[in-house]
Amino acid sequence: EVQLMESGGGLVQPGGSLRLSCAASGFTLSNYWMHWVRQAPGKGLVWVSRINSDGSTTVYADSVKGRFTISRDNAKNTLYLQMNSLRAEDTAVFYCAREDDNSGWSHFYGMDVWGQGTTVTVSS
Amino acid sequence: QSVLTQPPSVSGAPGQRVTISCTGSSSNIGAGYDVHWYQRLPGTAPKLLIYGNNNRPSGVPDRFSGSKSGTSASLAITGLQAEDEADYYCQSYDSSLSVVFGGGTKLTVL
Repeated sequence: EVQLMESGGGLVQPGGSLRLSCAASGFTLSNYWMHWVRQAPGKGLVWVSRINSDGSTTVYADSVKGRFTISRDNAKNTLYLQMNSLRAEDTAVFYCAREDDNSGWSHFYGMDVWGQGTTVTVSS
Repeated sequence: QSVLTQPPSVSGAPGQRVTISCTGSSSNIGAGYDVHWYQRLPGTAPKLLIYGNNNRPSGVPDRFSGSKSGTSASLAITGLQAEDEADYYCQSYDSSLSVVFGGGTKLTVL
């Protein structure tokens, strides 16, 4: 079964750090771009970051640039999100999602598999 | 403030047709980037509903359809059913290579 499973969420104080993981199973991670998307309580989906198939290209939302780092280990079939200098407004459920790397310049395929999410709470 | 604009809510009676709009700009939808739609049922992860503007993944009923024109896109749901009650999000890319989402639309089946 094709699956993504996030872990690493929890309660952290403002200014603290967390590292999220996203384990892929049932497919070869290296064939996909990967994304992190978050949803704050009562709010909509907000894209956080993406990484290309071999990890050589990363893109971040302005709200997390310089604080979050996305990375991947294709040999371990795992995606990561290192989150530093966390703020209260980072409180959210974080999802990882995949996008076929054959999407082309127009990004034809969308994010077709999502994990169930891991909750990050930033509070003192 | 989301880059893509959706109505906060829409509603319809069972069996009716509803549409959800998604308005972007020349730097995202209008630049030629494809539009995707996701359905988020309460307590579940988002599910890809429409990809590449008007394509349905396997298993998505043909009651759901998408379209794109210029700087906007639309999701249409015909034969509305109670289980369609959910939040719907459009998504595309921006010329900055960032991913952009709409703010989401809550569909209520009356």
